[in-house]
Parts: sequence; C-alpha cells; structure tokens
Amino acid sequence: GNSVTQMEGPVTLSEEAFLTINCTYTATGYPSLFWYVQYPGEGLQLLLKATKADDKGSNKGFEATYRKETTSFHLEKGSVQVSDSAVYFCALSTGQAGTALIFGKGTTLSVSS
Amino acid sequence: DTAVSQTPKYLVTQMGNDKSIKCEQNLGHDTMYWYKQDSKKFLKIMFSYNNKELIINETVPNRFSPKSPDKAHLNLHINSLELGDSAVYFCASSQSAYNYQPQHFGDGTRLSIL
Repeated sequence: GNSVTQMEGPVTLSEEAFLTINCTYTATGYPSLFWYVQYPGEGLQLLLKATKADDKGSNKGFEATYRKETTSFHLEKGSVQVSDSAVYFCALSTGQAGTALIFGKGTTLSVSS
Repeated sequence: DTAVSQTPKYLVTQMGNDKSIKCEQNLGHDTMYWYKQDSKKFLKIMFSYNNKELIINETVPNRFSPKSPDKAHLNLHINSLELGDSAVYFCASSQSAYNYQPQHFGDGTRLSIL
C-alpha cells in the first residue's frame, strides 16, 4: 500500500544550522508529494509541493526535491531560525478523488538562539 | 479574514457528555475534512465531504457523526465522550476532492475529557 516514513524527532538545532528532515515514500503510480508545517497552537499549512519526478518545491528558504529513484522527498534549509520551530509533516497524494492524503508521523524541530 | 474557522477553540467536558464542534470555510472550496491529532502529533483522517456528500469515512466509532448542511460548513457531533477522545480535532478544506489539491486547516479544537 501507499505510505510515508519520516525521520523521528525531535530535531534540535542552533540558529543558522543546516536542516535536513528525511522523508521516504511507498506508492504505486505517480504520486504528488508535500511538506506541511504546523506552528505551535496552529493548524497545518502547506509549505511546499512537487508533482512529478525531479521537481523541486521551495518556499521560505526550504527546499525538497522529488527523487523517484530513491523514493525520497527530503526537506532542507540552509540556515534555520528560531521561528522555524514547528512540526513538519511529509505527505503523499495518489491523485485520486475521494481518497485521503497520506501523512507521515511528523518531525518536531526545535531551534535555539 | 479567517479562511477555515473552528469553534470552540477549547472544549473541556466530562466523560459521557455529548458535544459538537463547528467548522466554516470562506474559500469557496467543495471539499471539507475532519482530522484527529493525538498527543504525539499523529494525524488521522476521520471524514471528508464533497459538496455535502460523504466521501471518506474512516474507521471511527459511530459515536462520531459528521454533518454538512452546505458545502461551506462541516460540523462534528460526538456522543458519550470517552477519555480516549481527548485530542485536537482539525477541520480542513480543499478546492476539490482530488487529494493533490492543497488542504487549508483551521487552528484546531482542543478537546479534554475529565
């Protein structure tokens, strides 16, 4: 079946450090891939997405590249800020109507100054 | 101007009570969702409606009953609340029922059962 596996957290970094959060997926067909972010006390919001192999999604200094050969969609940022502290969810879409988006378990990032 | 709004934000109640959570979206979207997030942040889809029609109904106790009076509103009624129902419940919406459409989330309702 379809699934998403994220690295377990929490991830603790100092300000300006490099961030990688690993995400791998299992899917049939050609899924779309997403990263959502949840700031404390808020709902999830879309951070970036990629709809086909080799696409790179980017937003707010975050990037992720859809790698079909390694079935991965790792999230990266070159220099994190305290305000990036949040929970990050990798998600997969099969593109079908009436089926649920498949979320990973979430990775908590804590950035200290 | 809040896109997806849920009420109440906090709900503290006794075991065995019945409660409702309301959700409204002003994005003109056709599809709405209810999710449950546990204390470990794991997110589980419960229900989805497209134009007032139920399209996703995951394995959820039948004490949970969603209702969509129109495509801008999706409410969740919970009967006979149990301790295990304590969680954050999120409403979300998307433009259509195709799951590649981005979903827009409300800020959640924090339900605590005493």
